[in-house]
Amino acid sequence: AQSVTQPDIHITVSEGASLELRCNYSYGATPYLFWYVQSPGQGLQLLLKYFSGDTLVQGIKGFEAEFKRSQSSFNLRKPSVHWSDAAEYFCAVGNTDKLIFGTGTRLQVFP
Amino acid sequence: DAGVIQSPRHEVTEMGQEVTLRCKPISGHNSLFWYRQTMMRGLELLIYFNNNVPIDDSGMPEDRFSAKMPNASFSTLKIQPSEPRDSAVYFCASSFLGDNEQFFGPGTRLTVL
Repeated sequence: AQSVTQPDIHITVSEGASLELRCNYSYGATPYLFWYVQSPGQGLQLLLKYFSGDTLVQGIKGFEAEFKRSQSSFNLRKPSVHWSDAAEYFCAVGNTDKLIFGTGTRLQVFP
Repeated sequence: DAGVIQSPRHEVTEMGQEVTLRCKPISGHNSLFWYRQTMMRGLELLIYFNNNVPIDDSGMPEDRFSAKMPNASFSTLKIQPSEPRDSAVYFCASSFLGDNEQFFGPGTRLTVL
Protein backbone atom coordinates (compact mmCIF):
# COMPACT_ATOMS: atom_id res chain seq x y z
CA ALA A 1 0.00 0.00 0.00
CA GLN A 2 1.13 3.51 -0.71
CA SER A 3 1.60 5.66 2.36
CA VAL A 4 3.56 8.47 3.92
CA THR A 5 4.57 8.59 7.57
CA GLN A 6 5.64 11.67 9.43
CA PRO A 7 6.48 10.30 12.87
CA ASP A 8 6.77 13.66 14.60
CA ILE A 9 3.44 15.37 15.17
CA HIS A 10 4.93 18.42 16.88
CA ILE A 11 8.49 19.74 17.07
CA THR A 12 9.76 22.69 19.03
CA VAL A 13 13.11 24.33 18.32
CA SER A 14 14.86 27.52 19.29
CA GLU A 15 15.45 30.18 16.70
CA GLY A 16 18.84 29.64 15.09
CA ALA A 17 18.90 25.93 15.83
CA SER A 18 19.08 23.31 13.12
CA LEU A 19 16.00 21.37 12.05
CA GLU A 20 15.26 17.96 10.63
CA LEU A 21 11.74 16.78 9.89
CA ARG A 22 11.34 13.11 9.16
CA CYS A 23 9.39 11.50 6.36
CA ASN A 24 9.16 7.85 5.43
CA TYR A 25 7.19 6.50 2.53
CA SER A 26 5.91 3.27 1.11
CA TYR A 27 5.50 3.27 -2.65
CA GLY A 28 5.57 0.58 -5.31
CA ALA A 29 7.54 2.45 -7.94
CA THR A 30 10.12 5.18 -8.05
CA PRO A 31 8.39 7.94 -6.16
CA TYR A 32 7.99 11.60 -6.78
CA LEU A 33 8.56 13.25 -3.39
CA PHE A 34 7.49 16.64 -2.14
CA TRP A 35 7.58 18.85 0.93
CA TYR A 36 4.89 21.47 1.40
CA VAL A 37 4.50 24.11 4.10
CA GLN A 38 1.24 25.47 5.43
CA SER A 39 1.11 28.67 7.46
CA PRO A 40 -1.94 29.22 9.70
CA GLY A 41 -5.03 29.98 7.67
CA GLN A 42 -3.23 29.49 4.39
CA GLY A 43 -3.04 26.92 1.65
CA LEU A 44 -0.06 24.67 1.09
CA GLN A 45 3.06 26.02 -0.57
CA LEU A 46 5.64 23.82 -2.26
CA LEU A 47 9.06 23.91 -0.59
CA LEU A 48 10.89 21.43 -2.77
CA LYS A 49 10.48 18.30 -4.84
CA TYR A 50 12.46 15.27 -5.96
CA PHE A 51 11.85 13.43 -9.20
CA SER A 52 15.24 11.96 -10.08
CA GLY A 53 18.94 12.74 -10.19
CA ASP A 54 20.84 14.29 -7.30
CA THR A 55 19.39 12.92 -4.07
CA LEU A 56 19.99 16.18 -2.20
CA VAL A 57 17.52 18.79 -3.35
CA GLN A 58 17.43 22.45 -2.51
CA GLY A 59 14.22 24.32 -1.98
CA ILE A 60 12.93 27.73 -1.11
CA LYS A 61 13.48 29.50 2.19
CA GLY A 62 16.80 27.73 2.80
CA PHE A 63 15.33 24.24 3.09
CA GLU A 64 16.84 21.09 1.66
CA ALA A 65 15.86 17.43 1.65
CA GLU A 66 17.71 14.22 1.01
CA PHE A 67 16.23 11.18 -0.70
CA LYS A 68 17.51 7.90 0.71
CA ARG A 69 16.12 4.99 -1.23
CA SER A 70 17.55 2.37 1.12
CA GLN A 71 15.73 3.91 4.04
CA SER A 72 12.61 4.98 2.12
CA SER A 73 13.09 8.42 3.60
CA PHE A 74 12.95 12.01 2.44
CA ASN A 75 13.86 14.13 5.45
CA LEU A 76 13.65 17.90 5.38
CA ARG A 77 16.45 19.97 6.87
CA LYS A 78 17.35 23.55 7.57
CA PRO A 79 20.63 24.60 9.21
CA SER A 80 19.25 27.61 11.07
CA VAL A 81 15.57 28.08 11.80
CA HIS A 82 13.90 31.48 11.75
CA TRP A 83 10.80 32.42 13.74
CA SER A 84 8.90 32.78 10.45
CA ASP A 85 9.42 29.06 9.77
CA ALA A 86 6.80 28.20 12.37
CA ALA A 87 4.15 26.36 10.38
CA GLU A 88 2.93 22.89 9.51
CA TYR A 89 5.01 20.81 7.15
CA PHE A 90 3.68 18.06 4.94
CA CYS A 91 5.59 15.37 3.10
CA ALA A 92 3.91 13.88 0.03
CA VAL A 93 4.58 11.04 -2.38
CA GLY A 94 2.99 10.33 -5.71
CA ASN A 95 3.18 9.81 -9.39
CA THR A 96 2.26 11.99 -12.31
CA ASP A 97 -1.40 12.02 -11.33
CA LYS A 98 -1.98 12.39 -7.63
CA LEU A 99 -0.27 12.79 -4.29
CA ILE A 100 -0.56 11.09 -0.93
CA PHE A 101 0.14 13.39 1.97
CA GLY A 102 1.49 12.63 5.41
CA THR A 103 -0.32 13.81 8.50
CA GLY A 104 2.00 16.76 8.94
CA THR A 105 4.51 18.02 11.51
CA ARG A 106 3.76 21.21 13.35
CA LEU A 107 6.89 23.28 13.94
CA GLN A 108 7.03 25.73 16.81
CA VAL A 109 9.96 28.14 17.06
CA PHE A 110 10.98 29.77 20.31
CA PRO A 111 12.96 33.03 20.34
CA ASP B 1 -1.05 35.08 -12.10
CA ALA B 2 -3.59 35.31 -9.28
CA GLY B 3 -3.07 31.72 -8.20
CA VAL B 4 -5.84 29.29 -7.41
CA ILE B 5 -8.95 31.16 -6.32
CA GLN B 6 -11.51 29.65 -3.97
CA SER B 7 -14.80 31.02 -2.78
CA PRO B 8 -16.18 31.53 -0.31
CA ARG B 9 -13.30 31.65 2.18
CA HIS B 10 -15.63 30.90 5.04
CA GLU B 11 -19.03 29.26 5.05
CA VAL B 12 -21.28 28.65 8.01
CA THR B 13 -24.45 26.73 7.38
CA GLU B 14 -26.99 24.61 9.15
CA MET B 15 -27.29 20.88 8.92
CA GLY B 16 -29.35 19.80 5.95
CA GLN B 17 -28.53 22.80 3.80
CA GLU B 18 -26.83 22.58 0.44
CA VAL B 19 -23.29 23.92 0.26
CA THR B 20 -21.40 24.80 -2.92
CA LEU B 21 -17.70 25.49 -2.91
CA ARG B 22 -16.06 27.06 -5.93
CA CYS B 23 -12.61 26.94 -7.45
CA LYS B 24 -10.85 28.71 -10.29
CA PRO B 25 -7.58 26.99 -11.19
CA ILE B 26 -4.47 28.71 -12.46
CA SER B 27 -4.87 29.60 -16.11
CA GLY B 28 -3.35 26.91 -18.32
CA HIS B 29 -3.40 24.19 -15.68
CA ASN B 30 -5.34 21.15 -16.80
CA SER B 31 -5.46 19.06 -13.63
CA LEU B 32 -7.61 20.04 -10.67
CA PHE B 33 -7.79 18.46 -7.24
CA TRP B 34 -10.21 18.81 -4.31
CA TYR B 35 -8.92 18.02 -0.82
CA ARG B 36 -10.46 18.04 2.64
CA GLN B 37 -8.41 18.80 5.74
CA THR B 38 -9.46 17.91 9.27
CA MET B 39 -7.59 17.47 12.50
CA MET B 40 -8.61 13.84 12.73
CA ARG B 41 -7.95 12.69 9.16
CA GLY B 42 -5.39 15.16 7.87
CA LEU B 43 -5.38 16.07 4.20
CA GLU B 44 -7.51 13.78 2.07
CA LEU B 45 -7.86 13.79 -1.70
CA LEU B 46 -11.55 13.78 -2.56
CA ILE B 47 -11.51 13.87 -6.36
CA TYR B 48 -9.38 15.04 -9.24
CA PHE B 49 -9.97 16.03 -12.84
CA ASN B 50 -7.73 15.90 -15.90
CA ASN B 51 -8.84 18.09 -18.79
CA ASN B 52 -12.20 18.63 -17.05
CA VAL B 53 -12.87 14.90 -16.79
CA PRO B 54 -13.17 13.25 -13.36
CA ILE B 55 -10.43 10.64 -13.09
CA ASP B 56 -10.62 9.37 -9.52
CA ASP B 57 -13.46 10.09 -7.13
CA SER B 58 -12.69 7.26 -4.72
CA GLY B 59 -12.04 9.77 -1.95
CA MET B 60 -15.50 11.28 -2.08
CA PRO B 61 -16.95 10.24 1.27
CA GLU B 62 -20.50 9.49 0.16
CA ASP B 63 -23.23 10.33 -2.29
CA ARG B 64 -23.93 13.62 -0.56
CA PHE B 65 -20.74 14.92 -2.16
CA SER B 66 -20.50 15.75 -5.84
CA ALA B 67 -18.02 17.68 -7.96
CA LYS B 68 -18.15 19.13 -11.42
CA MET B 69 -15.80 20.86 -13.78
CA PRO B 70 -17.87 22.35 -16.61
CA ASN B 71 -14.87 24.09 -18.17
CA ALA B 72 -11.14 24.54 -17.73
CA SER B 73 -11.49 27.57 -15.49
CA PHE B 74 -14.13 26.53 -13.00
CA SER B 75 -15.00 23.69 -10.65
CA THR B 76 -17.53 23.18 -7.89
CA LEU B 77 -17.77 20.85 -4.93
CA LYS B 78 -21.29 20.42 -3.65
CA ILE B 79 -22.52 18.86 -0.42
CA GLN B 80 -26.23 18.11 -0.21
CA PRO B 81 -27.43 17.72 2.47
CA SER B 82 -24.63 18.94 4.69
CA GLU B 83 -23.90 17.40 8.09
CA PRO B 84 -21.83 18.63 11.06
CA ARG B 85 -19.15 16.01 10.32
CA ASP B 86 -18.53 17.74 6.98
CA SER B 87 -17.01 20.67 8.86
CA ALA B 88 -13.46 21.02 7.57
CA VAL B 89 -11.22 23.13 5.38
CA TYR B 90 -11.63 22.29 1.73
CA PHE B 91 -8.73 22.99 -0.60
CA CYS B 92 -8.60 23.16 -4.34
CA ALA B 93 -5.29 22.67 -6.14
CA SER B 94 -4.27 22.72 -9.77
CA SER B 95 -1.30 21.63 -11.86
CA PHE B 96 -0.17 20.94 -15.38
CA LEU B 97 -1.17 17.43 -16.40
CA GLY B 98 1.69 15.04 -15.63
CA ASP B 99 3.71 17.63 -13.73
CA ASN B 100 2.29 16.94 -10.26
CA GLU B 101 3.58 20.18 -8.75
CA GLN B 102 0.27 21.20 -7.29
CA PHE B 103 -0.59 24.78 -6.46
CA PHE B 104 -3.07 25.17 -3.64
CA GLY B 105 -5.77 27.72 -3.10
CA PRO B 106 -6.31 29.38 0.29
CA GLY B 107 -9.09 26.99 1.21
CA THR B 108 -12.71 27.28 2.27
CA ARG B 109 -13.41 26.79 5.95
CA LEU B 110 -16.81 25.10 6.21
CA THR B 111 -18.72 24.95 9.46
CA VAL B 112 -21.96 22.96 9.56
CA LEU B 113 -24.01 23.62 12.68
